Amino acid sequence: DIQMTQSPSSLSASVGDRVNITCQASQGISIYLNWYQQKPGKAPKLLIHDASILETWVPSRFSGRGSGTDFTLTISSLQPEDIATYFCQQYDNLPLTFGGGTKVEIK
Amino acid sequence: QVTLKESGPVLVKPTETLTLTCTVSGFSLSNARVGVSWIRQPPGKALEWLAHIFSNDEGSYSTSLKNRLTISKDISKSQVVLAMTNMDPVDTATYYCAYTDCSTTSCYPGPPWFDPWGQGTLVTVSS
Repeated sequence: DIQMTQSPSSLSASVGDRVNITCQASQGISIYLNWYQQKPGKAPKLLIHDASILETWVPSRFSGRGSGTDFTLTISSLQPEDIATYFCQQYDNLPLTFGGGTKVEIK
Repeated sequence: QVTLKESGPVLVKPTETLTLTCTVSGFSLSNARVGVSWIRQPPGKALEWLAHIFSNDEGSYSTSLKNRLTISKDISKSQVVLAMTNMDPVDTATYYCAYTDCSTTSCYPGPPWFDPWGQGTLVTVSS
């Protein structure tokens, strides 16, 4: 199985800060990497697919990049409504696997 | 609008079989270009993909759980059912079903992503 390692597991930042979340795959997965946003008590929502393609509802302050084994989700200017846990997920190989999550909080 | 809703027992005993139902609307399970998966999340922990069912009723499963899982569907009821045998307290989790639109991307050998998800149902395993 492909292991997905996210870091950090949690972070605290101020409103307006730039936030980076990384996801590393245990083997190359091309661009077959998705990001989800999960707010407390809610189901995850697809945020980005294919490493960098934003879903239509996603604000432009979010971006994704990477290929192979190393990927990054960036929030260019953190907003209060971005408080959530973010998960990466690979679909290069079955079984589909998720990262451990990054909890984003406001300082 | 695609929606999914999970239902099933909130409490099961160890060794019992869990049966969960995902009732969908906004699309037909007979559509060859859609798929439905089950994903779970233990309290405060990460997501774990469990199983996916294709339009031809073929299922794909988590490697570690495949011996305990069966996914099926009832097109007339718009339902996808997941059965998990020999439940253990470590299986305590919120169980989600989720949709994949396979019309714009390949869903073989498995779904690329999940969108949208159901609200989830918390299942506790305890005697």
